[in-house]
Amino acid sequence: KNQVEQSPQSLIILEGKNCTLQCNYTVSPFSNLRWYKQDTGRGPVSLTIMTFSENTKSNGRYTATLDADTKQSSLHITASQLSDSASYICVVSLGDFGNEKLTFGTGTRLTIIP
Amino acid sequence: ETGVTQTPRHLVMGMTNKKSLKCEQHLGHNAMYWYKQSAKKPLELMFVYSLEERVENNSVPSRFSPECPNSSHLFLHLHTLQPEDSALYLCASSQRRGGLEQYFGPGTRLTVT
Repeated sequence: KNQVEQSPQSLIILEGKNCTLQCNYTVSPFSNLRWYKQDTGRGPVSLTIMTFSENTKSNGRYTATLDADTKQSSLHITASQLSDSASYICVVSLGDFGNEKLTFGTGTRLTIIP
Repeated sequence: ETGVTQTPRHLVMGMTNKKSLKCEQHLGHNAMYWYKQSAKKPLELMFVYSLEERVENNSVPSRFSPECPNSSHLFLHLHTLQPEDSALYLCASSQRRGGLEQYFGPGTRLTVT
């Protein structure tokens, strides 16, 4: 069982609608949690990075939340656009400074339809 | 496009071939990584280089051989691969090993026939 579980595996929504992607993790203790966006045929691009003491961080229409007690994170996308179609990957970092290890989720495949 | 480039973008090779993947970062970073991304599986870390020294090898088969001649370049030499090695191979770099921000290249889509 993967230590970082994402849901749903895939999601299709209409352009302009909002959506929320979920990430549950079991790794601990962790130093930070990241969300990446990966367009088809491209490498992942960082959206947000949150330390364990932060519970929300925004990047434009993307807002990530973190509940370290329940070990859950979510990524909320507001007013979706066609360019939001991509895979979204949750990544948990654990370990000490200079020796962090990343544990990746399998991602949520988001498709925005006009 | 990020400051990390990879060539080739697509590669088809037979199981007896020898080929190399190339990664170059223009960000002045000191750490570089190779990842394997297979369908419906999480990214798998293969190798980590810090200041041109290999600091991590995650039980990768010897048919994959990395090389880091300097802090800006990273290679992955491939030989006698198996069909199950078909995947997207991603290179990444960060300011230091385990650095918060890893910047990924676009990847090489490898197909082994």
